[in-house]
Amino acid sequence: DGGITQSPKYLFRKEGQNVTLSCEQNLNHDAMYWYRQDPGQGLRLIYYSQIVNDFQKGDIAEGYSVSREKKESFPLTVTSAQKNPTAFYLCASSTPLGDSTEAFFGQGTRLTVV
Amino acid sequence: AQSVTQLDSHVSVSEGTPVLLRCNYSSSYSPSLFWYVQHPNKGLQLLLKYTSAATLVKGINGFEAEFKKSETSFHLTKPSAHMSDAAEYFCVVSGTTATDSWGKLQFGAGTQVVVTP
Repeated sequence: DGGITQSPKYLFRKEGQNVTLSCEQNLNHDAMYWYRQDPGQGLRLIYYSQIVNDFQKGDIAEGYSVSREKKESFPLTVTSAQKNPTAFYLCASSTPLGDSTEAFFGQGTRLTVV
Repeated sequence: AQSVTQLDSHVSVSEGTPVLLRCNYSSSYSPSLFWYVQHPNKGLQLLLKYTSAATLVKGINGFEAEFKKSETSFHLTKPSAHMSDAAEYFCVVSGTTATDSWGKLQFGAGTQVVVTP
């Protein structure tokens, strides 16, 4: 089945640690995105990538890093510089062609700092 | 500048009554418009999308939305709410400016729908 897989579903991080969230898609989509969701704030864009080996900062990129070495994969690293990382993280992908550029979402990773 | 405004942060309806979720957008181009639904601790699921083929768009689970260019609105409706409709709903726009015409998404803040028996 085609889709987007995020792992792990739940992740716990100690203060000062870096953690990496996985996002894999088999939809052959060019574009991939990472969003952060906090209660009452909707989704905020962290990073996005239109093609392999290229990515752009979103609205809240500070304290995060990404890579796009393969079309299928877009991992997100939450670094120790991110002061408030506890949130629900959503990965998405889309094909930016024509008028119908809907995004497909993974099931999310809930990150908690302990 | 905000591209998408969802006019209600919370909507409460009784089961069997109509649901209306309001969304306005701003765009200097012809955008693509979407409604997504999110159940607790889940990803987002596409309900419907506007692709310029028809202004009245029908989606899954009995939802539909009407694109009104003159009002820059894309309100979501359902004639009869079901308990399973309780969730958060997001209005999403892409292609609102020259820099994101390739498909970058802009999300509204979301509307939480509560359905009472």
